[in-house]
Amino acid sequence: DAKTTQPPSMDCAEGRAANLPCNHSTISGNEYVYWYRQIHSQGPQYIIHGLKNNETNEMASLIITEDRKSSTLILPHATLRDTAVYYCIARNDYKLSFGAGTTVTVRA
Amino acid sequence: EAGVAQSPRYKIIEKRQSVAFWCNPISGHATLYWYQQILGQGPKLLIQFQNNGVVDDSQLPKDRFSAERLKGVDSTLKIQPAKLEDSAVYLCASSLSGGTGEQFFGPGTRLTVL
Repeated sequence: DAKTTQPPSMDCAEGRAANLPCNHSTISGNEYVYWYRQIHSQGPQYIIHGLKNNETNEMASLIITEDRKSSTLILPHATLRDTAVYYCIARNDYKLSFGAGTTVTVRA
Repeated sequence: EAGVAQSPRYKIIEKRQSVAFWCNPISGHATLYWYQQILGQGPKLLIQFQNNGVVDDSQLPKDRFSAERLKGVDSTLKIQPAKLEDSAVYLCASSLSGGTGEQFFGPGTRLTVL
């Protein structure tokens, strides 16, 4: 699976949009971009995934660049409960290869 | 729908002792995974089962770790003997099938080896 690069941490104001970047410059054509998050003392939780088109669900939006070398996860209205570690994963089979992720802290 | 259940939630043991963790996946999920998460790192896959067969155990330290899923439902992960570096959270996940399907994670078991 392709390696992904994420900033180690970021802060966000409650009620504002949180934009989480991820670089995956070596991603192959059959690898999806997956996002999971892990709230403290819980297991990881699936958020969203995409191949090349932008995707949106009730939790977030995923914007993938046309060359697929990077993507952005958007939490449209961050709440305190969105404080978590967010993992960006390039995946083409059953394996989820987690990196260190981005620790997102939402502040009131 | 009930989620993935794990027990115990916490365990403290001395090094060289043995320990076992239990996981009950979501009903109907054929695929079960065990992950190890060391503090400050992302989870690392230890073993994957498809029904009661092992699909991937390439990252499982087989000299001390073992896992089974005898009836294709719940699973047990054992460490014998434990080392200090085994201190971690052990996460169980399940999915309907293998491939790129969504994996649902349990709350994990936090193991401390003294």
